[in-house]
Amino acid sequence: GAGVSQSPRYKVAKRGQDVALRCDPISGHVSLFWYQQALGQGPEFLTYFQNEAQLDKSGLPSDRFFAERPEGSVSTLKIQRTQQEDSAVYLCASSLDVGGGDQPQHFGDGTRLSIL
Amino acid sequence: SQQGEEDPQALSIQEGENATMNCSYKTSINNLQWYRQNSGRGLVHLILIRSNEREKHSGRLRVTLDTSKKSSSLLITASRAADTASYFCATDVIYNQGGKLIFGQGTELSVKP
Repeated sequence: GAGVSQSPRYKVAKRGQDVALRCDPISGHVSLFWYQQALGQGPEFLTYFQNEAQLDKSGLPSDRFFAERPEGSVSTLKIQRTQQEDSAVYLCASSLDVGGGDQPQHFGDGTRLSIL
Repeated sequence: SQQGEEDPQALSIQEGENATMNCSYKTSINNLQWYRQNSGRGLVHLILIRSNEREKHSGRLRVTLDTSKKSSSLLITASRAADTASYFCATDVIYNQGGKLIFGQGTELSVKP
């Protein structure tokens, strides 16, 4: 496929469980972003990778959130000891070049996470 | 926290009418982008306008940018039912490293056939 792929599309977990969300960016895209989108709101930045390097994690809400992109392609966002406030849609986006907000970001359809 | 606000929060029009959405932001930017999001889907890039540009067109879309007022508008002309979606502005702020975008809260557009 040519687009950004995210899995699973839906995830239901009990409070306290750990979850892992996967993102397959467009092949060859250097930059990868994770965003969190609450219902009825715009996406909020979580973290940014340039290849395998995590250059900005200023948006991660707590140390329960961890992201990695070990080989510079697929990325995983992990949330430990989930809380109800973690319920949201998690969006992954990629863009072709390094840095610069002067290029479009290509988004996946997101993972809708529900914490019971 | 989000960069700014979009106005209106919701807009309902008839097919064929024009739709105008406004976006205000707080800090100086390098550029501003508009995205569309259909229900349950990811965001789709529509148009990018740089801080030194005042107006840009793409098909039925017209975007304006007023950096002195820290505001932008998106005009969709001759709207279609398929334009029904949420529309978000997103800013790339000055001194930003990495290209992260800061999104507004969005305008929900409904185009009735």
